[in-house]
Amino acid sequence: GGIITQTPKFLIGQEGQKLTLKCQQNFNHDTMYWYRQDSGKGLRLIYYSITENDLQKGDLSEGYDASREKKSSFSLTVTSAQKNEMAVFLCASSIGQGNQAPLFGEGTRLSVL
Amino acid sequence: GDSVTQTEGLVTLTEGLPVMLNCTYQTIYSNPFLFWYVQHLNESPRLLLKSFTDNKRTEHQGFHATLHKSSSSFHLQKSSAQLSDSALYYCALSDLHMGYKLTFGTGTSLLVDP
Repeated sequence: GGIITQTPKFLIGQEGQKLTLKCQQNFNHDTMYWYRQDSGKGLRLIYYSITENDLQKGDLSEGYDASREKKSSFSLTVTSAQKNEMAVFLCASSIGQGNQAPLFGEGTRLSVL
Repeated sequence: GDSVTQTEGLVTLTEGLPVMLNCTYQTIYSNPFLFWYVQHLNESPRLLLKSFTDNKRTEHQGFHATLHKSSSSFHLQKSSAQLSDSALYYCALSDLHMGYKLTFGTGTSLLVDP
């Protein structure tokens, strides 16, 4: 079976620091997503990519960059970490049709000191 | 734009009682796809149910939901709650016209007490 691997699982950063989160999938899915999860705010889409080298902004893209270097990997960069920020970043992938539900990775938990 | 509303942030009930979690949506497109995801503590969200057909009940693992386009609703139900149903539940919306974006609601935490 396939798997979505997110690294690191836990990330502690300093205010103003640039932080990179990585995601790998071996489902051979075309579409990959980055979501941010905050308590009481649900899952908010940051970026998604429908194929290698494609990038599409979601509703929460400000303050983030993303890169889809190859079909199997999708990275997310927090361009300047905010003090006391705490969130879970979830990577997901799907075959890319609207009726197909994305599969999620285990998440990266970010804390900014 | 498209949106999903889950009115309850927290639902607490006793084991054995019925469960109903509300989900309504807004979209300009006439053929939405609706999903329910469940997320247990320290796990990632996983798909529970999905539906694309108006007025057709869909079931999985004891849960069921029916997409009603007339009321833009996709409520999640279960006849008898179990302790293991305690989790965070997300309703989500997509549409072929939206491309590949999946819009989530804010989630409902279900806590089942013995």
